[in-house]
Amino acid sequence: QVQLKESGPGLVQPSQTLSLTCTVAGFSLTSYNVHWVRQPPGKGLEWMGVIWNTGGTRYNSALKSRLSITKDTSKSQVFLKMNSLQTEDTATYYCARDNDNYWHFDFWGPGTMVTVSS
Amino acid sequence: DIQMTQSPASLSASLEEIVTITCQASQDIGNWLAWYQQKPGESPQLLISGATSLADGVPSRFSGSRSGTQFSLKISRLQVEDPGIYYCLQGYSAPLFTFGSGTKLEIK
Repeated sequence: QVQLKESGPGLVQPSQTLSLTCTVAGFSLTSYNVHWVRQPPGKGLEWMGVIWNTGGTRYNSALKSRLSITKDTSKSQVFLKMNSLQTEDTATYYCARDNDNYWHFDFWGPGTMVTVSS
Repeated sequence: DIQMTQSPASLSASLEEIVTITCQASQDIGNWLAWYQQKPGESPQLLISGATSLADGVPSRFSGSRSGTQFSLKISRLQVEDPGIYYCLQGYSAPLFTFGSGTKLEIK
């Protein structure tokens, strides 16, 4: 059964670094790509970046300078780090698996809410 | 960048009514279009991929269609469990995915 689950601190101070973990089950990170998508409260969805099954990455140009996505295949975990957080980074952060049949996200984690506040 | 213009922003309909939501792509994206339903406090759930293919377990009252660069999601008979926010997603420029702005569907 395919599952993804995000975990993280919940509250981050402005200018600090956000670290999130996506733990997956039911598939291998060597076979599938995992993306991060975020959603500010009451707003729409924004694609943030991807780590390919090969280990390469691609980021949203608006976030590229602050964002890093890595993984530990042996632990089935994907990591997101984003620095210089501001209040506008307050959002629910999702990890999602993609499906290359007409490229879409077929499975999502439940999301983790991150509030940026002092 | 490919833009997805979704309409309407909100919609109120009666039970058993037919509901249609549209997404207009700023350029040709073929059938690289998916639809999602998001309920409060939940992650988006896949409804349609490849513009017209129903995802596993999705009721047959949901359907997707394409006419050129315009895509539609149709709910043939609105049910009590269907309210939520619906999003389209273009995957043509993957991994540079873009979502529509969302349509909030309510029961009248």
